[in-house]
Amino acid sequence: NAGVTQTPKFRVLKTGQSMTLLCAQDMNHEYMYWYRQDPGMGLRLIHYSVGEGTTAKGEVPDGYNVSRLKKQNFLLGLESAAPSQTSVYFCASRGLARYEQYFGPGTRLTVT
Amino acid sequence: SQELEQSPQSLIVQEGKNLTINCTSSKTLYGLYWYKQKYGEGLIFLMMLQKGGEEKSHEKITAKLDEKKQQSSLHITASQPSHAGIYLCGADMSGGGADGLTFGKGTHLIIQP
Repeated sequence: NAGVTQTPKFRVLKTGQSMTLLCAQDMNHEYMYWYRQDPGMGLRLIHYSVGEGTTAKGEVPDGYNVSRLKKQNFLLGLESAAPSQTSVYFCASRGLARYEQYFGPGTRLTVT
Repeated sequence: SQELEQSPQSLIVQEGKNLTINCTSSKTLYGLYWYKQKYGEGLIFLMMLQKGGEEKSHEKITAKLDEKKQQSSLHITASQPSHAGIYLCGADMSGGGADGLTFGKGTHLIIQP
């Protein structure tokens, strides 16, 4: 039981490049989330999903897209990376019966 | 504006001493969650509080939610080096539960031997 895993752990992009971050959970959780963590800002919600095939915008969705084609996976895409997207990205998931979210180890992204 | 205020921002405590971290909101909280984060790692769930006046303990850590459900405190008794890290409070501000959490900026805790 791996919990929540994120791929990759580190990535350096140049401005304008694209990439996809993968989040996978093996707990059969309905809800999945993408947050970004920046110094002095705390964690902020980017997008979330309440079930397979559904997504919704969070607090800071601009510049990101997401997809949830399978219940266990939640993908976060950057179509044209900008230096302002340099951050640590965390994925989390939550089941229906329990309210706490379980977090992955994070992806550290640098955009130059 | 920050909806969830955490204080202090950082804390240096001598090993063996007690400490308290606070989390305050201007709005009623539908659920309050405490997490711990070690530097460079993910968040580890500590405790969840939902009812006004609720108090929970795990080992040497006690968390409380006030009766008005707008303020929570995390208290560590007889601190140890393993308690060092970043403590974050997260809250369900909407009552929907599925909409994600709003987080405070975190409290950096350093334990001095």
